[in-house]
Amino acid sequence: KAGVTQTPRYLIKTRGQQVTLSCSPISGHRSVSWYQQTPGQGLQFLFEYFSETQRNKGNFPGRFSGRQFSNSRSEMNVSTLELGDSALYLCASSSGQITDTQYFGPGTRLTVL
Amino acid sequence: AQTVTQSQPEMSVQEAETVTLSCTYDTSESDYYLFWYKQPPSRQMILVIRQEAYKQQNATENRFSVNFQKAAKSFSLKISDSQLGDAAMYFCAYRSAGGANSKLTFGKGITLSVRP
Repeated sequence: KAGVTQTPRYLIKTRGQQVTLSCSPISGHRSVSWYQQTPGQGLQFLFEYFSETQRNKGNFPGRFSGRQFSNSRSEMNVSTLELGDSALYLCASSSGQITDTQYFGPGTRLTVL
Repeated sequence: AQTVTQSQPEMSVQEAETVTLSCTYDTSESDYYLFWYKQPPSRQMILVIRQEAYKQQNATENRFSVNFQKAAKSFSLKISDSQLGDAAMYFCAYRSAGGANSKLTFGKGITLSVRP
């Protein structure tokens, strides 16, 4: 089975712009979670989608949003980018049960200038 | 809220030796899952091992094993016969078995270096 894929792998944006990141889960997986990884804050949970519905959400401002499509692919959007949004964004997929193991993608490195 | 603590930011081990990475967590729940993930310099996060809290037996995966002490809320990872490829950042993670707010919570991670 192909693993979790994320596109693009690298992205450079300027403050105030918006960005959309994409995640394709492992075939058959219905849950996708997103995480932000920074040296200072570590790995922080953004949100989780299951069957096109947001199942859980972390403590991030409303500028961070996401969605999931019927084929389980997910996108996350960050509007009005700030310098502090520079991070590695990881997505992870699982079959759907809350306690299933999550499998991670390679991440998208976002740099905000 | 659940928290996961990895108090050692860095550790080093000689190739072929054994190393133990520490992790403690705080929770009021009785049913949960614990994980160790490895993130090599290439950045792909890989599951190393998983432990169900209701199982008393410690999980083992080849050279990797855990020491799960539920009462002490401790979940350490032992790597035996360390190899150069084990060099990576290791994250301990917790997730409750149920509830609307169940999410994977990570520790800050520990950077493991392996000396040849």
